[in-house]
Order: sequence, then C-alpha cells, then structure tokens
Amino acid sequence: DIQMTQSPSSVSASVGDRVTITCRASQDIGSSLAWSQQKPGQAPKLLIYAASRLQSGVPSRFSGSGSGADFTLTISSLQPEDFATYYCQQAYSFPITFGQGTRLDIK
Amino acid sequence: EVQLVESGGGLVQPGGSLKLSCAASGFSFSDSAIHWVRQASGEGLEWVGRINGKVHDFGSAYAASMKGRFTISRDESRSTAYLQMNSLKTDDTAVYYCARPISGTTFVDYWGQGTLVTVSS
Repeated sequence: DIQMTQSPSSVSASVGDRVTITCRASQDIGSSLAWSQQKPGQAPKLLIYAASRLQSGVPSRFSGSGSGADFTLTISSLQPEDFATYYCQQAYSFPITFGQGTRLDIK
Repeated sequence: EVQLVESGGGLVQPGGSLKLSCAASGFSFSDSAIHWVRQASGEGLEWVGRINGKVHDFGSAYAASMKGRFTISRDESRSTAYLQMNSLKTDDTAVYYCARPISGTTFVDYWGQGTLVTVSS
C-alpha cells in the first residue's frame, strides 16, 4: 500500500496568514493526489484534485502543487471558515490511502 | 443536485452483520462508481472499497482489512449502493460515508452525510 505522510500534524495560524501543508507519498504517484477539507461533524469536501486542479466552487486562495512524491497545499490568506482538518489522498492505485490529517487551528 | 444519503447504521454485537445503503440522486448512477470510506471517532479517513459503474462491469475493490468480510453491491433500478458488513469487530466502529468520484477518476467530489456503525457488546 502507498503510505501518505502529512506535515505538520497540526498548525496554529491567524486570519490573513499564509499556510502551507505538505504531503509525501511512499512512492511516485505522478499527479494522482487530492486535498480535502473536513469540519467537525461534516463530510470531507474536495478542494484540489490531480495535484493542482481547483474543484469547482472552491475559493482561489486554495492552491495545490507538486508531482511525483511531494505535494503542497497552500492557503494564501486564511479566512475564518478555513479552520478545519485537511487530508491528502492518493488516487494512483488501490487501496486508496489518506494522509493522517493536518488540523488547522486559530492562533 | 447530486445527493447521496446513507442509512442502515446502528448498534451491532461483535461477530454480527449489518447492511448499509447509499441512495443516490441528481446524476447518472449507472455511469458512476461509488466508494465507501469510514472514519472512527477522532481519527482519520480510511477507504473501505469501491464498486464501478456499468461501463466497467460493476467491478469492485476493497481494502485488505475488509476484503472477505465486506461486500459492496448496487441496484441500478433503485439508484442505490450497498455495503454488506459481516463478522464485525469493535474496530469497525465508525461513521461510514458513501461517495461519488469525478467521472473517469478516483477523486471523490460528492459525499453523503455518513451513518454511524457501533460494534459493541
């Protein structure tokens, strides 16, 4: 199975800050990576797929980059509604696997 | 509007069985794969398995820890997918989500609200 490792596991930031979350795959997965956001009590929401494609309706302050084994999710200017947990997910091969999550808290 | 609605969760004893349903609407169900993903309380996301749509002959795939115990099926006439869970363990306690991928990919873009399965004596 492909292991997905996110860092950091948690981060505290303020509204307006720029935040970067990284995800590393245990092998080359090309661009087969997605980022999702999850708020307490809610289902995940797709933000980015194919490493850098912004899902319809997602604000442009979210962006994704990377290929191969190293990927990044960047939020350019944090808004109050962005405080949540973020997961990366590889779609390169079965079983689909997720990172352990990065919790983004208000500083 | 795409909608996925899970049902069938509840309390079951270890070793027991449970069948979850995922009722779909707002898209061409037969053309779409359906994935199941679970999440234990306070934990991360774990992929359970997937069943393909008609174009891929309804093939299925499962996570290793669930293969042989869990079976995904679908009823095109009801636009509903199912997750049959047998030989349940306490570790299977989680919220179970069904989800639909972007066409032609395994990137999930729509999720149901989830249904809670509790395995306990």
